[in-house]
Amino acid sequence: GENVEQHPSTLSVQEGDSAVIKCTYSDSASNYFPWYKQELGKRPQLIIDIRSNVGEKKDQRIAVTLNKTAKHFSLHITETQPEDSAVYFCAASIGNFNKFYFGSGTKLNVKP
Amino acid sequence: EAGVVQSPRYKIIEKKQPVAFWCNPISGHNTLYWYRQNLGQGPELLIRYENEEAVDDSQLPKDRFSAERLKGVDSTLKIQPAELGDSAVYLCASSPLWGSYNEQFFGPGTRLTVL
Repeated sequence: GENVEQHPSTLSVQEGDSAVIKCTYSDSASNYFPWYKQELGKRPQLIIDIRSNVGEKKDQRIAVTLNKTAKHFSLHITETQPEDSAVYFCAASIGNFNKFYFGSGTKLNVKP
Repeated sequence: EAGVVQSPRYKIIEKKQPVAFWCNPISGHNTLYWYRQNLGQGPELLIRYENEEAVDDSQLPKDRFSAERLKGVDSTLKIQPAELGDSAVYLCASSPLWGSYNEQFFGPGTRLTVL
């Protein structure tokens, strides 16, 4: 099955700086890569996703890049704010099968 | 539109006791997932339903865990008997259709503590 690795496990940045979280996957058939944000005690919520037919997607301060050859994808958050502090999870899925494999999470702390 | 509903939100039991969790997915969502999330880790799939059929239960510890999704809507996950290592958050999620790229919508989870 698929194996998704995520790093770093913790990331601390100053408000206004950028944050980058990286994930690798093992199954070349994976073609859908969502990112979830989970605040303490709350449910994971989708913040951005990318399909394998594109290399980059951006939504305001958040962007995701995908390198299919290297089998890795990254989340980029620019101009970080304290409310960005949360745990972020990447996931990989073979789109036709609706089966998701999650990374172990990155705890992002944005210091004011 | 209501989101995924789970109950109870919190449950504290002693080991060897049974426990059950309930999930009501978003209306019209065919796919339902149960995940277990240990502290500081990502969700791990326990079982996935397409309508009322369990299409992936390879990660479900079948000696003590069971699940059902009668009529392809609500679902119940049961543990009997519970062990200390079962303490975790149990998340239910749903998505619209099989066979296409689909966002998963998560419920708030049930935090289980086994003493």
